[in-house]
Amino acid sequence: AQSVTQLDSQVPVFEEAPVELRCNYSSSVSVYLFWYVQYPNQGLQLLLKYLSGSTLVKGINGFEAEFNKSQTSFHLRKPSVHISDTAEYFCAVVKTSYDKVIFGPGTSLSVIP
Amino acid sequence: IAGITQAPTSQILAAGRRMTLRCTQDMRHNAMYWYRQDLGLGLRLIHYSNTAGTTGKGEVPDGYSVSRANTDDFPLTLASAVPSQTSVYFCASSDNRGSYNEQFFGPGTRLTVL
Repeated sequence: AQSVTQLDSQVPVFEEAPVELRCNYSSSVSVYLFWYVQYPNQGLQLLLKYLSGSTLVKGINGFEAEFNKSQTSFHLRKPSVHISDTAEYFCAVVKTSYDKVIFGPGTSLSVIP
Repeated sequence: IAGITQAPTSQILAAGRRMTLRCTQDMRHNAMYWYRQDLGLGLRLIHYSNTAGTTGKGEVPDGYSVSRANTDDFPLTLASAVPSQTSVYFCASSDNRGSYNEQFFGPGTRLTVL
């Protein structure tokens, strides 16, 4: 069965510091990978996605993620966070041959001024 | 502004009552979804619809029903609410149900069943 693990449920980080949010998935077949962000009291919105090609994917708001097939990971990074990045971040996986999206449990990023 | 609207924003409901959560999108997307979000569990799919007139069961469909009479609307009904259905409910849509498609989410409905 397919699953998504986000190893850190909460990540506090000081403003302007770098951050990495970890995501690992289990799948024996090819997958597409997504990161969504949920700001307080809002729905989710897409940050970035990996479908194919370059393993380094750039998204909105200065975020990027790297697909590592051998480690089945898709970690999200930002070199310098802002207060406005405080939000819940969800990693999501879907098999390329199927259409059911599996969401991870989420990581709560808190940026400390 | 194009997007998805959900109503109500929040609701407190007595157990055993019937409740319909409304969802409307104006993007002419074929596929629509209902998720529930619970702390530590992420989002779990309740029901989905590939196109108007068709629906399917997701991961946690028990106690919920949906209908898709037209492209824009996708209501979710709790026939007899139970406390375990206390959650935040999100409606989403995508251009089609292809696995590569981004999903667009509504603002959510916070439901409390007492």
